[in-house]
Amino acid sequence: GAVVSQHPSRVICKSGTSVKIECRSLDFQATTMFWYRQFPKQSLMLMATSNEGSKATYEQGVEKDKFLINHASLTLSTLTVTSAHPEDSSFYICSAPGAGNYGYTFGSGTRLTVV
Amino acid sequence: AQSVSQHNHHVILSEAASLELGCNYSYGGTVNLFWYVQYPGQHLQLLLKYFSGDPLVKGIKGFEAEFIKSKFSFNLRKPSVQWSDTAEYFCAVNAAGSGGYQKVTFGTGTKLQVIP
Repeated sequence: GAVVSQHPSRVICKSGTSVKIECRSLDFQATTMFWYRQFPKQSLMLMATSNEGSKATYEQGVEKDKFLINHASLTLSTLTVTSAHPEDSSFYICSAPGAGNYGYTFGSGTRLTVV
Repeated sequence: AQSVSQHNHHVILSEAASLELGCNYSYGGTVNLFWYVQYPGQHLQLLLKYFSGDPLVKGIKGFEAEFIKSKFSFNLRKPSVQWSDTAEYFCAVNAAGSGGYQKVTFGTGTKLQVIP
C-alpha cells in the first residue's frame, strides 16, 4: 500500500535554530500533502496544505513565515520550523492522499523538542 | 467548517467486552467519515471509511461503524475486544463531493485500554 516516509522521527534543537522535517511518498505521487500538529492529549490540528508546484495554504492562526512549507516535487514535501521556540515543541505529522479512493496515508510523525 | 466530537476520552474494557466509541460531527454538507487507529509507538492507520452507500461499514480487525445521518453520528463498534486493540482511536471527517483532496478534521481521540 501507499507509504509516507517522515524524517526525522525525533529532534531536539536549541531555541532560535531551524528544523526541517521531510515527508516522502514512496511508490506513489503526492500532489497534496497535509501537515498536522498534535499537542499532548489533543487532536491533530491541520496547519497547512501543500500542493506540488504552488504555495501552501495555511490554516487560520498558523504563521506562514515561521512554518515554511516546500513541495518541490511529487514525492517530497518539507516543513521547516524557523527560529524555533519551546512552545513549538510538539508532534508534527504529514499526510498524503493515497492512490485512488480518499484513503489518507500518514507519516510516522516527528517529535520536536525545543530547549 | 466541519468539526468532530468524541465524547469518550479514555475507555477501559476487559477482554471480550463489547466496544462502542461515540463520534458526532458537525458540517452542513455531505461528508466522508473515517476512523483511524494509533497503536502505541506507531503512526495513524485507517480502520475504516464511509463515503456513500450502505451506512454500516466494516473495517479491518473486526471493527465496524454505522453512519446515522439524522444524528450526525459515526460510532465505532467491535463485539469482542482483544488486548491488542489497546490504542488511541480518532474519528475524522472531510467534505465530500467537491473534487480534489479535502482536508481531514480529527476528533480529540479516545484512548482504549483493554485489560487481559
